[in-house]
Formats: sequence, structure tokens, C-alpha cells
Amino acid sequence: DIQMTQYPSSLSASAGDRLTITCRASQTIGTYLNWYQQKPGKAPKLLIYAASYLQSGVPSRFNGSGSGTDFTLTISSLQPEDFATYYCQESYSSPEFNFGPGTTVDI
Amino acid sequence: QLQLLESGPGLVKPSETLSLTCTVSGGSISSANYFWGWIRQPPGKGLEWIGTIYFTGTTYYNSSLKSRVTISVDTSKNQFSLNLKSVTAADSAVYFCAREWGSFRTFDYWGQGTLVSVSS
Repeated sequence: DIQMTQYPSSLSASAGDRLTITCRASQTIGTYLNWYQQKPGKAPKLLIYAASYLQSGVPSRFNGSGSGTDFTLTISSLQPEDFATYYCQESYSSPEFNFGPGTTVDI
Repeated sequence: QLQLLESGPGLVKPSETLSLTCTVSGGSISSANYFWGWIRQPPGKGLEWIGTIYFTGTTYYNSSLKSRVTISVDTSKNQFSLNLKSVTAADSAVYFCAREWGSFRTFDYWGQGTLVSVSS
């Protein structure tokens, strides 16, 4: 079973900050890694798929990178609407897959 | 615009069966390109994939829930459903339905979620 870890688990930031969130898989998963953003009381929203591909309609300040076991989600200049929880999701172990525990970004 | 809407009881008694339906509008559940999934989120916790179904009825389940889960599809109604039997308080969660696509198995459209509490 592939275990996903994210760090930090939470962080405080300010608008305009450059932010990096890390997701690590317990074994290599190639680029089978997706990122989601979730705001309180809302469904998750797909941001990045296949580690680095920006989902249509997602602002270009979001960037994903990595392969193998280590992945990062970077927000180049944090906007007020970006305060949320971010989850990674591996799909290498298809048909099953796992979400990371999440990283909460607040002010 | 594709929309998904979960429906079902918000309260289920322990040991009983949780039943939810996801109604898809603005697109066909019978599209060859997509799968349809259920994901849940206990209050204040992270996301857990429950299972996925293809319009043909092919299913994939989380191994930790497999003995209790059944997902089915009704293409005539453009709906798919979740049954989770023998529930306990640990099954209390917001349940989301979502569309899954691509070899990277992304969930690109989600329902708003529905809170199900397990309590006597």
C-alpha cells in the first residue's frame, strides 16, 4: 500500500508570499500525482494532474513539479482566495489510490 | 456544464446500511471516457476514496471497505449509487460523488457533498 505524506501539515502565510507544499510517496509513483484545493464546506477542486499539468481554468500562479517519490506544489504569489487545504493524490496503485493527509494554508 | 448532486438520508443508525445516489446532469454517465467515484471525508479529516464505477458496471473498491461497499449504476436515470452496510460512527462523513477521467485518474467534477451521520 502506497503511503502519502505531506509537509508541512499546516502553515501561516500572507498574500503575496511564495508558497511550496511537499508531497512524498512511500514508493516511486512516476508522475501519477494530482493536486486538489479544498475550501471549508466545499468540494475539492482539481488544480494539477500528472504532477505538472495545470487543469483548465486554474491560475498560472499554481505550479506542480516532481516525479518518483517527491512532488511539490508551488503558489508563486499567494492570493486571498488561495487560503485553503491542499491534498495530493497518487493514482499509481490503480485501481486503488490514496490521498495525502492535506496541508492547510491560513493567514 | 456537468453537475453532480448527492442525495440520501443524512442520518443512519448503527449497523444499518447507508445509501446514497449521485445524479449526473449536463452530461452522460454512459460516456466511454469517464468513471464515476465516491469519496468521503470525516469531519475535520482528510479525503478517503471509497470506490469507482464504469457505466458498464465494472467496479473498483477501496480494499479497506470492500467487504461492506457496493456501487451500482443506472444509466437510464444517469445516476450511480453507493451502499455501505453495517455502518458505525466511524462512517460519519461528508460523502462526495465525482467524475474520474484519464489514466492519471483525476477527479475533475465533484458534487457538493452530503453529510451523513451515524447515530442511534
